[in-house]
Amino acid sequence: GAGVSQSPSNKVTEKGKDVELRCDPISGHTALYWYRQSLGQGLEFLIYFQGNSAPDKSGLPSDRFSAERTGGSVSTLTIQRTQQEDSAVYLCASSFKYNEQFFGPGTRLTVL
Amino acid sequence: GEDVEQSLFLSVREGDSSVINCTYTDSSSTYLYWYKQEPGAGLQLLTYIFSNMDMKQDQRLTVLLNKKDKHLSLRIADTQTGDSAIYFCAENPSGGYNKLIFGAGTRLAVHP
Repeated sequence: GAGVSQSPSNKVTEKGKDVELRCDPISGHTALYWYRQSLGQGLEFLIYFQGNSAPDKSGLPSDRFSAERTGGSVSTLTIQRTQQEDSAVYLCASSFKYNEQFFGPGTRLTVL
Repeated sequence: GEDVEQSLFLSVREGDSSVINCTYTDSSSTYLYWYKQEPGAGLQLLTYIFSNMDMKQDQRLTVLLNKKDKHLSLRIADTQTGDSAIYFCAENPSGGYNKLIFGAGTRLAVHP
């Protein structure tokens, strides 16, 4: 595709519900990253995929957060039992090997 | 630990130069980056500098790197209203892949 796409662009959910956020990386990009941007904060690294495996999950805040990548392409970030502190913009980026990361527009998650 | 710090706000007059400063902690970072985030848009890589360089110039942008002090700066010459955005400094700590650690971002406001 032309760029990294993410869906939905906005998600409002109730506390305690599960949510799934999707990322479509640029075709052919081997690496995929998830970051979180909370209000007034910088971007916080969550997880990195190389192909379908995740060698670094060190940024996932709790075991309520998980992510997977299939076919070396699409990735899904799942947040179970959402809490208000999960409200943030979730950004996905992809790169070809270790080159420049291209970012998607993000998913704005609001937990009521 | 990994930490990137930058001032949160900068206001300049149109036509003046802007200097955005950043300090980082990981001396083994291979690359240091400046990203730009405009309202409602994703992150865009503005420029980067390899850790063995002191300076990099790219049109109106000048990046200065002081490895001894772990200090990075971005100078924008002849600042325009279109430069109004949030600027993020990021380091790439050792690890063999391109995990980025971001600062909180500097909001640049350009006024006439």
